[in-house]
Amino acid sequence: SQTIHQWPATLVQPVGSPLSLECTVEGTSNPNLYWYRQAAGRGLQLLFYSVGIGQISSEVPQNLSASRPQDRQFILSSKKLLLSDSGFYLCAWRGTSGGPSLYFGPGTRLTVT
Amino acid sequence: ELKVEQNPLFLSMQEGKNYTIYCNYSTTSDRLYWYRQDPGKSLESLFVLLSNGAVKQEGRLMASLDTKARLSTLHITAAVHDLSATYFCAVNTGGFKTIFGAGTRPFVKA
Repeated sequence: SQTIHQWPATLVQPVGSPLSLECTVEGTSNPNLYWYRQAAGRGLQLLFYSVGIGQISSEVPQNLSASRPQDRQFILSSKKLLLSDSGFYLCAWRGTSGGPSLYFGPGTRLTVT
Repeated sequence: ELKVEQNPLFLSMQEGKNYTIYCNYSTTSDRLYWYRQDPGKSLESLFVLLSNGAVKQEGRLMASLDTKARLSTLHITAAVHDLSATYFCAVNTGGFKTIFGAGTRPFVKA
């Protein structure tokens, strides 16, 4: 069966520091991968999605970037964090064949101080 | 640009009563999702609706889709405490993007 992992689970970082969040999927190949952010008490904002290795589409201009160095690995990065980057970061995957569902990882809660 | 609107945004559930959450979307789509989120947790998939007239049910939850009206409903029958959560609908744009509504959150009366 397929599983999705995210780490770290929680993170507290000072303003201006770098960021690297990792997401990996097991049990499937060539998934579509997504990064969403959820601010406290708010909905989900699509940040990036990827349909293959090295292919990244950005939805919102910001100081974040994403990379997909391997088929089942998706990384969210920043060179300098802002206070407004605080939130709950969720990685999700969808298979390119088979079921249509979009599955979410456990999330990373980021607090920028 | 695809927009997804949910209402109500807040829902105060009383045990035993029925509730409906509405999800409207602005452009055609090939699939609609309903998710549940408990406080501090990730999203749990409830339903995926793929075609006009689709109806899915799981326990006290039932979701339906009217693609002509661009409307989906999530009906909660005889609510119980365990169903108090935030519910999201999400719509696929027909490409690779899935856009979420703002969510319907539990409201606890003082």
